[in-house]
Amino acid sequence: QVQLVQSGAEVKKPGASVKVSCKASGYTFINYEINWVRQAAGQGLEWMGWVNPKSGNTGYAQKFKGRVSMTRDTTVETAYMELSNLSLEDTAVYYCARVVRSNSYSMDVWGQGTTVTVSS
Amino acid sequence: ENVLTQSPGTLLLSPGESATLSCRASHLIGGNYVAWYQQKAGHTPRLLIYGASTRATGIPDRFRGSGSGTDFTLTIVRLEPEDFAVYYCQQYGSSPGWTFGQGTKLEIE
Repeated sequence: QVQLVQSGAEVKKPGASVKVSCKASGYTFINYEINWVRQAAGQGLEWMGWVNPKSGNTGYAQKFKGRVSMTRDTTVETAYMELSNLSLEDTAVYYCARVVRSNSYSMDVWGQGTTVTVSS
Repeated sequence: ENVLTQSPGTLLLSPGESATLSCRASHLIGGNYVAWYQQKAGHTPRLLIYGASTRATGIPDRFRGSGSGTDFTLTIVRLEPEDFAVYYCQQYGSSPGWTFGQGTKLEIE
């Protein structure tokens, strides 16, 4: 079945970086963009950016530009999101999600989420 | 950025009743690129509706999406106990990409 499986929880200190992985299975990885979305505790969903697995092209929300990098490795069908210069406000659950362009750019499959805790 | 404002923030209803959730955009949404998601506590979001009105695979027909332009609505008829959750609308536009509404919490009265 179609799945996105993310890496495990991370605890980081302020100023550090974190890299979260998202492994795809059950479909042709290069045919669907991957979005990254985060959710702080008790808060709503916040879109961070996208990566095109075929081309490697990316697009980032203004808020994260300069601090986020989204990449992919097609040989292992995995997308990555790296966020640098972490602050306490970056504590959240980070999700990857598959984008279906033909379905109005909606996100039909989500990873299980990766909890990133930033604490001194 | 196209800001999405959802209302109400919280909706108190009973099973069997109908729910109407609103999503208003600050700018026109082209192509009706609007989706709705359901999220239960401790779970990942689940796609309900895309293209403003098309139900995703496996979504019961009691979930109905409508709207165009800047005003979109999710209607849930004959609420079931499992429908009580938080609902998010989402839009896609060329720049910067995707945005979400702040969510509507549907609670049992």
